[in-house]
Amino acid sequence: SQQGEEDPQALSIQEGENATMNCSYKTSINNLQWYRQNSGRGLVHLILIRSNEREKHSGRLRVTLDTSKKSSSLLITASRAADTASYFCATDVLWGSGNTGKLIFGQGTTLQVKP
Amino acid sequence: KAGVTQTPRYLIKTRGQQVTLSCSPISGHRSVSWYQQTPGQGLQFLFEYFSETQRNKGNFPGRFSGRQFSNSRSEMNVSTLELGDSALYLCASSLGLAGGREQYFGPGTRLTVT
Repeated sequence: SQQGEEDPQALSIQEGENATMNCSYKTSINNLQWYRQNSGRGLVHLILIRSNEREKHSGRLRVTLDTSKKSSSLLITASRAADTASYFCATDVLWGSGNTGKLIFGQGTTLQVKP
Repeated sequence: KAGVTQTPRYLIKTRGQQVTLSCSPISGHRSVSWYQQTPGQGLQFLFEYFSETQRNKGNFPGRFSGRQFSNSRSEMNVSTLELGDSALYLCASSLGLAGGREQYFGPGTRLTVT
């Protein structure tokens, strides 16, 4: 079963608006990552936030992490038509004797940005 | 640097056959991970190889196997193909062990099993 659940499953907004996507997970993590995928192609890494970080920014992206609630959010500000894609959170879970490296992906949020 | 490359990009096979997919990581990257993406199950971790050793494995049957060569290139093999194996297979590389690091994904191999 998937570690992460994303909300909403689909989001449609106008260019210039902000888009917020949420991700919840179940187990202890080393870090949480967000990826973008365009039309069934390869994934592009957006941002990585470690378990001891609460917020991180990269350009128009802002990610928050609340380990007590086991949740994260991705905010895309001033969205553009080119941001239209599927967005996935992926948790780098802790397993075994502190091992990591096994990314568990959520089901993704499909974002449509209308020009 | 060239990105992660996967070959072939598209593949059609018949049930019962076997298939081998190839992945060349970014130059200098030593970790290669494989994922399966289907509409029903989403993205699922298959395995990770580092320095020619399988380091992590997901919950897939033994029909799914892989290996990594000394130049870090990796192959995955699926034997006795089933219709449910139809999927986009993605490989990703990272500089060191995948844990704690961003992964760089290839464009994927779309496998169709008929």
